Amino acid sequence: KQEVTQIPAALSVPEGENLVLNCSFTDSAIYNLQWFRQDPGKGLTSLLLIQSSQREQTSGRLNASLDKSSGRSTLYIAASQPGDSATYLCAVSAGGTSYGKLTFGQGTILTVHP
Amino acid sequence: DTGVSQDPRHKITKRGQNVTFRCDPISEHNRLYWYRQTLGQGPEFLTYFQNEAQLEKSRLLSDRFSAERPKGSFSTLEIQRTEQGDSAMYLCASSSDRGLAGRQYFGPGTRLTVT
Repeated sequence: KQEVTQIPAALSVPEGENLVLNCSFTDSAIYNLQWFRQDPGKGLTSLLLIQSSQREQTSGRLNASLDKSSGRSTLYIAASQPGDSATYLCAVSAGGTSYGKLTFGQGTILTVHP
Repeated sequence: DTGVSQDPRHKITKRGQNVTFRCDPISEHNRLYWYRQTLGQGPEFLTYFQNEAQLEKSRLLSDRFSAERPKGSFSTLEIQRTEQGDSAMYLCASSSDRGLAGRQYFGPGTRLTVT
């Protein structure tokens, strides 16, 4: 059974800092890995998707890496802003007959203070 | 592309009542997923459809839960004889086998409170 763990559970940083969120998964037979953002009481917004054959993806100030063999991914946020405050969720997608089924971590609650 | 929509956004019901939620996926998406999220946890997979076929159900989906996707368009999730433990956010997502295959787009969720 796939298990996803995110560290740290919560992070508070001053505005402008660069930061790294960590995600690990137990079964390396994944189809892809996605990072999501969730604002309080809202749905999920997809930030980055990395296919299993890829090593990293970038979007603006965000960079996500994937090391499938070691079961790890990191989300790097550059020059953090108060608007980045949210919960960040990592999810891995199964392949085969369970294609698309996402297994989520518990999330990292990020607070960026001015 | 109007995004994934869910209705209602909030539902308060008494224990023992039946409730039904609706999800409208992005129009060209052939896959539709239901997840459940409790406070402080990541979403948990419930079930998914490819077109109108329900391909997988989680063991979290007890006999009181049923989901349908008639004609491969919108989907409904029904909970019969609700229990307080059913209180959660119910999230719907859709994806396409074309383009960015596997990227799931989520709706705003339906928050269920069972009193």
